[in-house]
Amino acid sequence: ETGVTQSPTHLIKTRGQQVTLRCSSQSGHNTVSWYQQALGQGPQFIFQYYREEENGRGNFPPRFSGLQFPNYSSELNVNALELDDSALYLCASSLDRGRPDTQYFGPGTRLTVL
Amino acid sequence: SQQGEEDPQALSIQEGENATMNCSYKTSINNLQWYRQNSGRGLVHLILIRSNEREKHSGRLRVTLDTSKKSSSLLITASRAADTASYFCATGPYTGANSKLTFGKGITLSVRP
Repeated sequence: ETGVTQSPTHLIKTRGQQVTLRCSSQSGHNTVSWYQQALGQGPQFIFQYYREEENGRGNFPPRFSGLQFPNYSSELNVNALELDDSALYLCASSLDRGRPDTQYFGPGTRLTVL
Repeated sequence: SQQGEEDPQALSIQEGENATMNCSYKTSINNLQWYRQNSGRGLVHLILIRSNEREKHSGRLRVTLDTSKKSSSLLITASRAADTASYFCATGPYTGANSKLTFGKGITLSVRP
């Protein structure tokens, strides 16, 4: 157990809809990263938040957006869902102490877009 | 794009044997990490090795890093059926503290009882 939780576990949406995924970081962590993992692939970095501000973004369109709250929990929002958005979405929390450190992953949210 | 490439893509061994997995990457890194994933669920961190380190141990795990060859290996000794999982290497960039991790496609390890 990493202490990182995600909700919901599974989600089914239809093309064009919007979705919000939630992540609760490990206690004391100030950084959260989101990753998308398609079937049979490794996770791909979406973006990272540090102290409520975006701190780096991967190659994802603007319809992928996020928030980090004062308690360091986080949301990933995806608008205008497409079939290719079907994937496992993982969040990872870490403590930024000025040097690279371990990222602790949650169990993920499995999103299916029909 | 994938930075790391693991080799082999799939590995099947008998319980008690050692498993060796390799990872190659393309650009300069600050650190390299290995993760395990069971049945498409969350990733479990195994070990982090920094670019100025050459070898690290953690229990039955041994990781090496050769920055001149841009490669790393993960050795699991005395494997168990519970080690059956997908294994990923992930690289952290040269600059930035907790910047993005770039993952490979993973290695599927099957340990036969």
